This record gives sequence, C-alpha cells and structure tokens, in this order.
Amino acid sequence: AQTVTQSQPEMSVQEAETVTLSCTYDTSESDYYLFWYKQPPSRQMILVIRQEAYKQQNATENRFSVNFQKAAKSFSLKISDSQLGDAAMYFCAYRSSGGYGNKLVFGAGTILRVKS
Amino acid sequence: KAGVTQTPRYLIKTRGQQVTLSCSPISGHRSVSWYQQTPGQGLQFLFEYFSETQRNKGNFPGRFSGRQFSNSRSEMNVSTLELGDSALYLCASSSTGNNEQFFGPGTRLTVL
Repeated sequence: AQTVTQSQPEMSVQEAETVTLSCTYDTSESDYYLFWYKQPPSRQMILVIRQEAYKQQNATENRFSVNFQKAAKSFSLKISDSQLGDAAMYFCAYRSSGGYGNKLVFGAGTILRVKS
Repeated sequence: KAGVTQTPRYLIKTRGQQVTLSCSPISGHRSVSWYQQTPGQGLQFLFEYFSETQRNKGNFPGRFSGRQFSNSRSEMNVSTLELGDSALYLCASSSTGNNEQFFGPGTRLTVL
C-alpha cells in the first residue's frame, strides 16, 4: 500500500519570504500522480499544484513550485513571496494512475503560518 | 459551473442513530469520492463511485455505505453511529480521464 509522509507538523514564514514544505512517499508503482492541496480555516480543499510522475520537469503554478525527486520518492512544495493568504494546512497526496480510480492517499498535513 | 455541494453542512446526532450525507458533483462529473477527516486519523478515503458503481473502497467498517444516482449525485450513510464517527466528511468529484478532484465544503458531523 502507498503511504505519504509529511514530517513537518508546522512551519512559519515571514511575509514575502520563501518556504519549502517536505513530503516523501512510498510506492512500488512507476506511474502515479502527486498533489499538494491547501486547506484554509474554511476547510475547503483547494488544489495547489499537481505532478505526473512520468514528467521529469517540475510543475510550477505562479508562486508555487515543486521539487520532484522520483528516485528519492520526494515531492516538496516551495512557496515564493509568501502572502498572508497562504496561511493554511497543506496536504501532500498520492494517486495511482491506470485503472485504480481516484483514491487519494494523504499525508498528515503541515500547518503553515505566515507572519506579517 | 457550480462547484461541488454538500448537504447538510452541519449535523448533530446521538450514538446509535444513523445519518445520510449528500454530495452533488460538478455538472458532467461522473466520479464522486468520499473522505473522512479527523484530528487523529487525518484524511482517509472512504469510497468512490463512478457511473453508479462503487469503484474503490477504503478500510472502513460496513456501517459506512454509499450509493450514486443516475444524475451522479451521491449519498453516504453511516449506521449505528459511534462517538468516533465525529468528523468532517468531504466529497470530491472529477471528470472522466481527469486526474484533478474538486472538493466540496464538507459536512461536519458531531456524534454525542
């Protein structure tokens, strides 16, 4: 079974600075998807960024980028120019590709606090 | 397009009762997945329905069940409620061939 580990329960960053959230996963599959979701106090889960395992290029969405290291099974999220609105719980998630449906396996989450 | 909607948003029940939660996916989405979120266990996959068929199931007891209707709306039912069932229940929908899931706002269930 696949597992996702987020080793940082909580992180803090100063507004306008950069922060990196860590995620490692365990799988025997060669093709899969990885995601970062943001859950603000409203509890609405919002997709931040996704990465297909077969793509070597790291995904980027505006101020958000990932460092995907397939051999190391590592998938970290970098937030540049942090804003107060970035404060939330961040979840790393794994999804098998192929005919396994849409089951997401989540990490425990990292609380991100942004200081003004 | 309207987003994923879940009803009710809040629910209070007592032990032993049963509860039904509803999820309406984004128009055109045929897959609906359910997740339970608790402080202790985090986010756990319950099950997924696609075209009215359960396609995947998590490791939950048989008290947790679900179904999907022809219009893709889904319901999940929890029978004989226990205190440990208190949680935020999230549903997510996705379209065929798309790996992105869109989440609803959740139903907060409190069991007393």
